[in-house]
Amino acid sequence: DTEVTQTPKHLVMGMTNKKSLKCEQHMGHRAMYWYKQKAKKPPELMFVYSYEKLSINESVPSRFSPECPNSSLLNLHLHALQPEDSALYLCASSQSTGGRTGELFFGEGSRLTVL
Amino acid sequence: AQSVTQPDIHITVSEGASLELRCNYSYGATPYLFWYVQSPGQGLQLLLKYFSGDTLVQGIKGFEAEFKRSQSSFNLRKPSVHWSDAAEYFCAVGPSNDMRFGAGTRLTVKP
Repeated sequence: DTEVTQTPKHLVMGMTNKKSLKCEQHMGHRAMYWYKQKAKKPPELMFVYSYEKLSINESVPSRFSPECPNSSLLNLHLHALQPEDSALYLCASSQSTGGRTGELFFGEGSRLTVL
Repeated sequence: AQSVTQPDIHITVSEGASLELRCNYSYGATPYLFWYVQSPGQGLQLLLKYFSGDTLVQGIKGFEAEFKRSQSSFNLRKPSVHWSDAAEYFCAVGPSNDMRFGAGTRLTVKP
């Protein structure tokens, strides 16, 4: 069983909709991540939060807006998405950022389809 | 910049046969190396990791990997493959805030 929980598992939205993806971990980790994964491709890093502060934004379009309300929760707000944004969105956490503590724990992902 | 190459896009093995998945990395310092497995539509599960010390590391599900600095490799092995091992396997390198994944190797297991 994964210790990183993502909801919803599946989401279908139109290009004018506003929706959110949610991620929760109770391992006491202080770093949380959003990844995007297209079919048959490796995960691509989108955002990194460290101690609830955004530390890395990999030049992600503003139609994706991350939020970290507390150390256990991570949201990804979606607005005015494009069909090419359809993908599996993976949340991950780690004890902190960096080397030896940097093992990533992944959730099962949210499958997003944009119509 | 760090990077990972997985030369094999797709590998097919018979159930019970041995397995080796290749991974080559490029990293400026002591590498932090990982192997993850992903079943269709699922998240990634860590199989094993290498930070330092013994170059042969044991992981879950009977997998092991050997770090070879001279070859910049971190190949994954399993002596006897089970049908449930069919999945996508990703090698990754780096600290968590800059982790780079290889393109993945899809493993098919024949009965």
